Amino acid sequence: KQEVTQIPAALSVPEGENLVLNCSFTDSAIYNLQWFRQDPGKGLTSLLLIQSSQREQTSGRLNASLDKSSGRSTLYIAASQPGDSATYLCAVEETSGSRLTFGEGTQLTVNP
Amino acid sequence: ETGVTQTPRHLVMGMTNKKSLKCEQHLGHNAMYWYKQSAKKPLELMFVYNFKEQTENNSVPSRFSPECPNSSHLFLHLHTLQPEDSALYLCASSQDYGLWVRRDRETYEQYFGPGTRLTVT
Repeated sequence: KQEVTQIPAALSVPEGENLVLNCSFTDSAIYNLQWFRQDPGKGLTSLLLIQSSQREQTSGRLNASLDKSSGRSTLYIAASQPGDSATYLCAVEETSGSRLTFGEGTQLTVNP
Repeated sequence: ETGVTQTPRHLVMGMTNKKSLKCEQHLGHNAMYWYKQSAKKPLELMFVYNFKEQTENNSVPSRFSPECPNSSHLFLHLHTLQPEDSALYLCASSQDYGLWVRRDRETYEQYFGPGTRLTVT
């Protein structure tokens, strides 16, 4: 059974700092990996999707990498801003179908 | 806005009540999903419907009863719930679901609604 773990569970940083969120998964037979953002009381917004054949994806200040063989992904946020404060979720789609398995998330607070 | 709406946004119900959650998508998608998000736990898939047919039931207790009358609407009927069922219930949709679909991002990417915060007293 696929398990997804995110470290740290919570992170508080000053504005302007570069930071890294970590995600690991137990079964490397994945189709893709996604990073989502969730604001309090709201649904999920997809940030980046990396297909299993890719190594990384970039969108603005966000960069996500994937090392499928070691079962790891990182989300790098450059020059963090207070508006980046949210919970970041990692999810993998298994090759057996479109089922997504989620991690517990990292709650990020960027202080002005 | 993602094109997926959920009502109500907040719901408080007693253990003997019967209530329903509603999800509607305006994206022309064929697949719809119910997820449960409890405190300190990962998001859990509950049900998947594809072309109005239930294709996934993740061992969900029978006190949760899904209904999909058409590809745009998904309901979750609730009865005799327990306090531990208190959670954020999220609905999502995607163009299609399953191994046979054309495997590009537009086909399988899921769009989430804002969720219903359910409290069972």
